[in-house]
Amino acid sequence: EDQVTQSPEALRLQEGESSSLNCSYTVSGLRGLFWYRQDPGKGPEFLFTLYSAGEEKEKERLKATLTKKESFLHITAPKPEDSATYLCAVLPQGGSEKLVFGKGTKLTVNP
Amino acid sequence: NAGVTQTPKFQVLKTGQSMTLQCAQDMNHEYMSWYRQDPGMGLRLIHYSVGAGITDQGEVPNGYNVSRSTTEDFPLRLLSAAPSQTSVYFCASREGAYYGYTFGSGTRLTVV
Repeated sequence: EDQVTQSPEALRLQEGESSSLNCSYTVSGLRGLFWYRQDPGKGPEFLFTLYSAGEEKEKERLKATLTKKESFLHITAPKPEDSATYLCAVLPQGGSEKLVFGKGTKLTVNP
Repeated sequence: NAGVTQTPKFQVLKTGQSMTLQCAQDMNHEYMSWYRQDPGMGLRLIHYSVGAGITDQGEVPNGYNVSRSTTEDFPLRLLSAAPSQTSVYFCASREGAYYGYTFGSGTRLTVV
């Protein structure tokens, strides 16, 4: 069974304190790994897609990396506006669109 | 360019009632999906479509029907609402195999 596990469940940081969120996955084959940001009461907002081990993507203070078994979302010098729940999802090999989501990491950045 | 539009935003149903959650996208995306989000459960796929006339089941399809007669619209029908279907429902679409999904703002459904 395809599974995605995110850790930690919740993370509190001080403004400027860099850290990383983890997404580990078990799939028969990986077609793509996606990171999303979700603010309270809103739909997930797409951040990155990663396709192969060793790949990296960056956007402002966020950097996503991918290995064969996990992905990391690194947050450099976070600001309070980075507070949100970050979701990881994987799309297994095959022709279906059965995206499997983790339960997310709730990030709080204090000023 | 409105993106993915979901209506209604809030709905209260009585057990046994039926209703349709509407989803429309104006980006000409081929792929569309419906998810439900429950506390502690994360996002779970209900049904998806890879083009007009083509739909398939996701992880939790029971109690829901879908059809895709046009590229733009992908309605989700609740046949006979149950309290277990109380949830937040999200519709999403994407252009193709190398793109991420764009999500709507959600419908918060309560079944009493």
